[in-house]
Amino acid sequence: EAEVAQSPRYKITEKSQAVAFWCDPISGHATLYWYRQILGQGPELLVQFQDESVVDDSQLPKDRFSAERLKGVDSTLKIQPAELGDSAMYLCASSWGAENSPLHFGNGTRLTVT
Amino acid sequence: AQTVTQSQPEMSVQEAETVTLSCTYDTSENNYYLFWYKQPPSRQMILVIRQEAYKQQNATENRFSVNFQKAAKSFSLKISDSQLGDTAMYFCAFMKQSGNNDMRFGAGTRLTVKP
Repeated sequence: EAEVAQSPRYKITEKSQAVAFWCDPISGHATLYWYRQILGQGPELLVQFQDESVVDDSQLPKDRFSAERLKGVDSTLKIQPAELGDSAMYLCASSWGAENSPLHFGNGTRLTVT
Repeated sequence: AQTVTQSQPEMSVQEAETVTLSCTYDTSENNYYLFWYKQPPSRQMILVIRQEAYKQQNATENRFSVNFQKAAKSFSLKISDSQLGDTAMYFCAFMKQSGNNDMRFGAGTRLTVKP
């Protein structure tokens, strides 16, 4: 069964450094999501793409976070500079984008900022 | 804005027993979709079951079933014949029918199945 690929699986970085996460959605999935999941909480949407266009980035801290999906396939989420409070699991998900399409999640990237 | 509330941070159940996880949501929408996702320890989140709000019949997937009460805005998950592999975080999620298909999650319930 096709899966959403994310890398790296784990990332440790010092505060004020830059960090980037990569996601490759299931082939053919038009919609791609980046969620942040703080330990013990549910995922919170950071940014949503429809093909290469951003459809929702209202919860993305744009002073330090950026996301792109240049060719409408894989996506990169960047944080610069990282802060201690950014420590969390970053989940990527994709879907067909049609109504009622369930989200398929990757394994996530666990970020620790020291 | 839609909010999803899971009032049980942790639950436990004996193997082979039945457990029900609660979820309530707040929305002004009439048409929407509800989901339960399972996140095992250190593993990816997977879909357990989903329900269309326009359907009166409760969804069922093998040992998993839901009790959808639209008027009460309640969407509970029942796990029958609990197995050790059911140990996981369970998240309730909401998606509007109209809009851009963004999914909102509750805070989750940590379920432990005891042998």
